[in-house]
This record gives sequence, C-alpha cells and structure tokens, in this order.
Amino acid sequence: QSALTQPRSVSGSPGQSVTISCTGTSSDVGAYNHASWYQQHPGKAPKLIIYDVIKRPSGVPDRFSGSKSGNTASLTISGLQAEDEADYYCSSYAGSYTWMFGGGTKLTVL
Amino acid sequence: QLQLQESGPGLVKPSETLSLTCTVSGGSISSSNFHWGWIRQPPGKGLEWIGSIYYSGSTYYNPSLKSRVTISVDTSKNQFSLKLSSVTAADTAVYYCARHRAHCSAGSCYWFDPWGQGTLVTVSS
Repeated sequence: QSALTQPRSVSGSPGQSVTISCTGTSSDVGAYNHASWYQQHPGKAPKLIIYDVIKRPSGVPDRFSGSKSGNTASLTISGLQAEDEADYYCSSYAGSYTWMFGGGTKLTVL
Repeated sequence: QLQLQESGPGLVKPSETLSLTCTVSGGSISSSNFHWGWIRQPPGKGLEWIGSIYYSGSTYYNPSLKSRVTISVDTSKNQFSLKLSSVTAADTAVYYCARHRAHCSAGSCYWFDPWGQGTLVTVSS
C-alpha cells in the first residue's frame, strides 16, 4: 500500500492560482468520490479543507476547491495569499477499511 | 466545539511498547457515525494512517502495522488509546488522534476532522 503521489512542491505569486495533484489507482482515488485534502502549517496539526472531493467545511474560504478525474484528485487554490503557504496532503479510502495519504506538497507563496 | 488531546510518554526505548491516549472533549466518543483514529508523521515526512476504532470496540488497522498495533476505547472516560509494540527508531514520529468518518453517512465519508495537536514520540535508548 504505497502513498498517493503528490508533487513535492509547487509555488505561485499572491493572487495567482495553483493546482496540486494527487494520483492514485483505480482501487483508491479512482474508485471512490471521497478524496479529502488537509492543510498543515509548520508545527501545527493538519486541518481538513476539502472532503468528498469537492466539499468545503464551514469556515474554509471558497478560494479552495477540489476536483477529480479518473485516478487523480486535485486541489486548486485561487487568489493565493501569504497565509496559504503550507504543506498539503490528500487522502483516500483504499478499500478493505484502510486509508492512505499522499506524500505531501509544499506550497510556497513567492 | 469538539477537541482532542494526545497524552503519553515522549521517549520510548527500542523494543518496548509505545502507549498513547487521546482524550475527547466537547462531545461524546460514543457518537454514532464516527470512528476515532490515530495518524503519525515522522519528522520531515508525510502522514501515515495507523488505525481507527468505533465506540463499540470495532477496529480497523493499517496492514503494515497491524501485527504491532492495538487500539482500545474507554467510553466512561471519553478516551481511546494506542499501543504500538516492539518499537524501533523508525517509529519516531508525531502521533495525532482525530475523529474519523470511516463509514458513509448522508453521502459523506472517509475524512479526518478535527485533529489533536499531536505529540512527539522519540524512540531511543
């Protein structure tokens, strides 16, 4: 059970948009419409920002959006702000009551 | 507001058993539709799901850790616990507890929220 594949790093300037991909297989990301995304600032606990591929918890800005195509889930952050600089992790159900996370992506706001 | 807090030793010797407890406040651990999970993060690395438990005691474990992991629940104390046996330096990590929507309800599932602040456990002699 390998981790889901994410780019190690992405970057963007304030106001721009960035997209982080999360690639799995037809047994995990591709099989279920329930991928989730977590934001983690240094030294802090992860925070749920997207669930069920496209839903946002209360309080999460609508600048954060999710999507999925085939075996790849994506997180898009539009109108980048300095406070968006963090690590981002995706997660997916992998069947047989097991769950997995991506390796994480470091977002740098230039 | 639901909050989770991990507690336990910060230093464990190799070959011994790591034991942590997560205390849930602001809500009941006996809530239906939610499991309670453990996730860890080695320093500078990504997240790894360890396992989850329902208030009834039903458990799910990561197959890669299953032989060494035991998760239990104490509903009277609103707590659940993690035991990881035969630890090595590779088990050094920040350990988080989190509420886990492990089964679908109203079309929503498979997410972790909220998370505890995490506790660093170092395996060293």
